[in-house]
Amino acid sequence: GAVVSQHPSRVICKSGTSVKIECRSLDFQATTMFWYRQFPKQSLMLMATSNEGSKATYEQGVEKDKFLINHASLTLSTLTVTSAHPEDSSFYICSARATQRDWETQYFGPGTRLLVL
Amino acid sequence: DAKTTQPNSMESNEEEPVHLPCNHSTISGTDYIHWYRQLPSQGPEYVIHGLTSNVNNRMASLAIAEDRKSSTLILHRATLRDAAVYYCILRRIQGAQKLVFGQGTRLTINP
Repeated sequence: GAVVSQHPSRVICKSGTSVKIECRSLDFQATTMFWYRQFPKQSLMLMATSNEGSKATYEQGVEKDKFLINHASLTLSTLTVTSAHPEDSSFYICSARATQRDWETQYFGPGTRLLVL
Repeated sequence: DAKTTQPNSMESNEEEPVHLPCNHSTISGTDYIHWYRQLPSQGPEYVIHGLTSNVNNRMASLAIAEDRKSSTLILHRATLRDAAVYYCILRRIQGAQKLVFGQGTRLTINP
């Protein structure tokens, strides 16, 4: 199956700093990538959808100025958590779709665990 | 988005079949039924999907009710590695095609 990687796998940062998380599709081109957040013992919550070369579409309640998404190429999307605070500590997961075909599955990355002190 | 309902948790024994139910009474004709699973501290993994007919792959089988208002994911012979949270998700053919995760079913496999 298709492989999606994330970097870093875990990061610890101080409150007020910015953190960038990379999501890469390793063996396919991803026209669309998705970013999710998951708090302990909870389900995944979709944050935003990004299409290569265009602005991301954010879900209701997600601050676009705080969670900056860039999908500059068909194999790379980045999520930057700006001015991170302890409440932003979470498990961030990306996924990628290979084509526009309606049955195509989403391939998920292994996740990035963010801890803000 | 049409909603799905799954039991919070289920338990089974190793090497026995497992039937994971999902209700989706408000499903529309353009909704595919997708199943993903998430092992601890990992990203979700695709399991199977279908539209109207039953589906089989190397991981599982998907049985879809004739009225499409419910479906069942079948693991034919559970192993300890199948312990995970299983999510049943409806996905539109058209539009944003995003996946909206519910709470899923936490499957425990006893040795």
